[in-house]
Amino acid sequence: DQQVKQNSPSLSVQEGRISILNCDYTNSMFDYFLWYKKYPAEGPTFLISISSIKDKNEDGRFTVFLNKSAKHLSLHIVPSQPGDSAVYFCAASLSNFGNEKLTFGTGTRLTIIP
Amino acid sequence: DAEITQSPRHKITETGRQVTLACHQTWNHNNMFWYRQDLGHGLRLIHYSYGVQDTNKGEVSDGYSVSRSNTEDLPLTLESAASSQTSVYFCASSDMRGGSTDTQYFGPGTRLTVL
Repeated sequence: DQQVKQNSPSLSVQEGRISILNCDYTNSMFDYFLWYKKYPAEGPTFLISISSIKDKNEDGRFTVFLNKSAKHLSLHIVPSQPGDSAVYFCAASLSNFGNEKLTFGTGTRLTIIP
Repeated sequence: DAEITQSPRHKITETGRQVTLACHQTWNHNNMFWYRQDLGHGLRLIHYSYGVQDTNKGEVSDGYSVSRSNTEDLPLTLESAASSQTSVYFCASSDMRGGSTDTQYFGPGTRLTVL
């Protein structure tokens, strides 16, 4: 039973445009959500997070939106750059923070076209 | 600089052999985790530890074991390797305090092939 789902395995976006990556979850007890970015042959690196008490969090070109009633979160990257090409994982935590065990989605491979 | 390392980076073994993957972190983090990454499944939690002598089973713990004898290390042992355990394994660590340090830091991964 996949509690965190990323239904788009891949996404291609023109450089300079907006990239939107989506994530759905089924467990309403999840309290904290994170996005990780992964390059080939490297470990995932933390990108941005959001608490369930918020509906938006921004960090530079990256914004995460949370819709609790729909159990849906999205990551917006504006403007998209070639270095953003990577696999993006969303993750969810039952705790108030992201330092405890996480449940990950299956990932979305983002390709930025120059 | 503090870091998290995994060894070996690549390993080929035979079915039935015992294999141990090492994970070492120098951040003095209390929390450590092992995940495996497989196509179509993303990252799945195998085992985790919230401190010395503490270990817990994750989502896919069958066939794996861990022990935590000090803060820095969480070795992952495959008792009798199976072809289904061919995967990329990631170790991660995090600070127990949460808050501004509320994220896990991942190692570079170990690619394990079981023939």
